[in-house]
Order: sequence, then structure tokens, then C-alpha cells
Amino acid sequence: EERLVESGGGLVQPGGSLRLSCAASGFTLSVYSVNWFRQAPGKGLQWVSYISSNRDKSYYEDSVKGRFTMSRDHAKNSLYLQMNSLRPEDTAVYYCARERRGSYFDYWGQGALVTVSS
Amino acid sequence: QSVLTQTPSVSAAPGRKVTFSCSGTGSNIGRDSVSWYQHLPGTAPKLLIYENDQRPSEIPDRFSGSKSGTSATLAITGLQTGDEADYYCAVWDSSLTAYVFGSGTKVTV
Repeated sequence: EERLVESGGGLVQPGGSLRLSCAASGFTLSVYSVNWFRQAPGKGLQWVSYISSNRDKSYYEDSVKGRFTMSRDHAKNSLYLQMNSLRPEDTAVYYCARERRGSYFDYWGQGALVTVSS
Repeated sequence: QSVLTQTPSVSAAPGRKVTFSCSGTGSNIGRDSVSWYQHLPGTAPKLLIYENDQRPSEIPDRFSGSKSGTSATLAITGLQTGDEADYYCAVWDSSLTAYVFGSGTKVTV
């Protein structure tokens, strides 16, 4: 069964850092582009970032540029979202999702809650 | 403020049909394929429609999608209580170099 599982969420103070992990099982994550999304309390889904399968391209939503960085570990069949200089408005459930050719996302993780608060 | 505009909510009785739209611009829906997702907060979003009108094999044919110009539409026929959820459209925006989502439509049965 193909699955994505996020981990690494938690409570962090404003200005702090957190690293989310997205681990794949049942398929080889390295051949796919992957995206991160988030849903803040009471808000809709929002795209956060993208990384290509061969790591040559990455894109970020404007509010996280310069603070968030995606990386991949093909050996661990995983990828990561390093989040620095966190702000209260970054509080959300974060999802990773596999992207398919045709610009859509067929497998999503169950989400990881990130709370930024003092 | 979402780049794509969706009706905030729709409501209908079981068995009825609902349709709702996703309105964009020439830099997103006008250029690229639209996908639709069903989401219950706190759970994994589920892909319903991809490439404007294609349905994954596990999605029942009660769900259908279409696109015309800079708008896309999702239709649900034979509405069931299990269809109560938030529905989002999504597409790549070439001007923003970003994926954009609609604001979501809450379906109540």
C-alpha cells in the first residue's frame, strides 16, 4: 500500500525552528516531485512548497521564502521541510503530497500539526 | 484572499445534485489542468478529479469535473451524507510560479 507519513510537528516559540519529515512506503519517493501544503485553523488549504524529483527545482510560497527549505533523502525514501524563523501565522496542519505529471496530487499524508506560540 | 474563487457553501437533500464552480484567470485555469480535492479537516485530502475531468478509479462516477476557459466545475450527483466535506480546486499559476487553491466550498447534505 502506498503511503506518506508526516512527522516532526509540535509546539515551538516564535522565531524558533522545526523540521518536518515525510516518509514514503510502498513506492519510491525519489521518482516523484513532492509538495507541502498547510491548513491554518479555520482556513482553507494552502500550497507551501515544491521540490522536483531530481532536486533541480524548488518553489516556495511567498510568505515562507527564505525561511523554509525542502530537501530530499533518497536513501531513506523521505523528504523534509526545514522551517526557520517561525511565526504565529505558520500555525497549521502541514501535509506532504506526491505530485503526478498533469499537476495533481494523488497521495497525501495524514498531516502534522505545527503550533507557533509563546 | 484566494486566487481562485469558489462558492463558500452549497446545501442539498440526499439524492440531489450539486454543482459548484472554481473561477480563475488566464495564468492559471486558462493555461493548466484543474484538480479537485475532498477534505475533512484533520484528515488527508482526497483526490477526486484530475486533468479537469478525469476520475481516479476508486472515485465513483457520481463525481464529475469540467473546464471551460478560466472556470472549472465540479458536480456531485446522488448526494450522500458521506459527501459532506470541504471541496477545493487547485491549479498551477504560471504568473505566481505557485500552486493555487480555491477558498473551498462546504457541502452540506
